[in-house]
Amino acid sequence: GAGVSQSPSNKVTEKGKDVELRCDPISGHTALYWYRQSLGQGLEFLIYFQGNSAPDKSGLPSDRFSAERTGGSVSTLTIQRTQQEDSAVYLCASSQDSGNSYEQYFGPGTRLTVT
Amino acid sequence: GQQVMQIPQYQHVQEGEDFTTYCNSSTTLSNIQWYKQRPGGHPVFLIQLVKSGEVKKQKRLTFQFGEAKKNSSLHITATQTTDVGTYFCAPRSGGSYIPTFGRGTSLIVHP
Repeated sequence: GAGVSQSPSNKVTEKGKDVELRCDPISGHTALYWYRQSLGQGLEFLIYFQGNSAPDKSGLPSDRFSAERTGGSVSTLTIQRTQQEDSAVYLCASSQDSGNSYEQYFGPGTRLTVT
Repeated sequence: GQQVMQIPQYQHVQEGEDFTTYCNSSTTLSNIQWYKQRPGGHPVFLIQLVKSGEVKKQKRLTFQFGEAKKNSSLHITATQTTDVGTYFCAPRSGGSYIPTFGRGTSLIVHP
């Protein structure tokens, strides 16, 4: 079946503009994660959705970042008033998170460049 | 909070040599996962370890979970150019569903 998809694959925006990044998880996966990866760095956790529970937003770096997940499926990460330090690859992952099965399936990412 | 250290940051090897990356945590872990990210790609799940002292093998790859469940290692025997990439450990502690990814070890294999 289809894997995790993300759009756009690349986004170039001017400093101060808002951007929306989209993630379509694998059908049936109840858990969805957003991460940020700067060049040559590890994965920085941003936000976690699990079913209908309140999301864990503990990784969001500032109040300019927000995310929502509609109908337990598609998720949108919004960055308001973008700054140059927001430039990174934004990765989305989904998993079943049932029992001991926490394997995450990652999408191809959205490369965000703020000029 | 949980601190994760992954070493080394980079490793250059000649094709055919062995390679090991280590992941160390400041806290006792409930489980640990390993992922591989090829250059320009996204992380791909390799394995999950849950039990103290657990050892799992996938062809030339051997994964170990420490007895105290605070460290783990990934060993590749006789590296090939297809092994090139960054290997991340992603441990979880307590009842958290959120892993703390290490900074990764980038493996460069010279033919």
